[in-house]
Amino acid sequence: GAGVSQSPSNKVTEKGKDVELRCDPISGHTALYWYRQSLGQGLEFLIYFQGNSAPDKSGLPSDRFSAERTGGSVSTLTIQRTQQEDSAVYLCASSFGGGTANYGYTFGSGTRLTVV
Amino acid sequence: GNSVTQMEGPVTLSEEAFLTINCTYTATGYPSLFWYVQYPGEGLQLLLKATKADDKGSNKGFEATYRKETTSFHLEKGSVQVSDSAVYFCALRSPAGNMLTFGGGTRLMVKP
Repeated sequence: GAGVSQSPSNKVTEKGKDVELRCDPISGHTALYWYRQSLGQGLEFLIYFQGNSAPDKSGLPSDRFSAERTGGSVSTLTIQRTQQEDSAVYLCASSFGGGTANYGYTFGSGTRLTVV
Repeated sequence: GNSVTQMEGPVTLSEEAFLTINCTYTATGYPSLFWYVQYPGEGLQLLLKATKADDKGSNKGFEATYRKETTSFHLEKGSVQVSDSAVYFCALRSPAGNMLTFGGGTRLMVKP
């Protein structure tokens, strides 16, 4: 599509349940990024994909968080056994990869996750 | 490593006032520099960018000049509007890398 698409836009879940967040990047963008933005805070990097591999997972806050990307396109961020501190807006972005520093990211509108 | 430092907000201005949001960076080589804007309830949008020293990025009345000697990329606008109220993020991207490094964001509030 024309932009980065994220779904769902809003998700309310009970503490302890698992959630899956989806990101559909811009066609042709080989790099995909997940960030988290807690209320009133800046951007917290979670994970980065180049193609289907994840060279940098350093931002994942715990082993309850995992992500995958298939076919060099759609990515899914999974949070297991959700906790209230997981409540945040999860942002996905995509870009042209490697050697193209002139390009910034294109962000999706985010998924607002609320754990009750 | 790379880092970006922005002035802390919130910045509160009256309509038609002059805006400056300071941004300085630390990076090896010659990074590309960006400003992103996040309007209330929305995702981040690219506002402007500059890819080499002395370049000036501009968009929607906003400007920022890539100053290598002071490692800065300050955002300016001559006359702000209420609709400019948002959070502004400065960011850099290294030539050899894929990652954008973001500053902490600066909230701008413009009052009528």
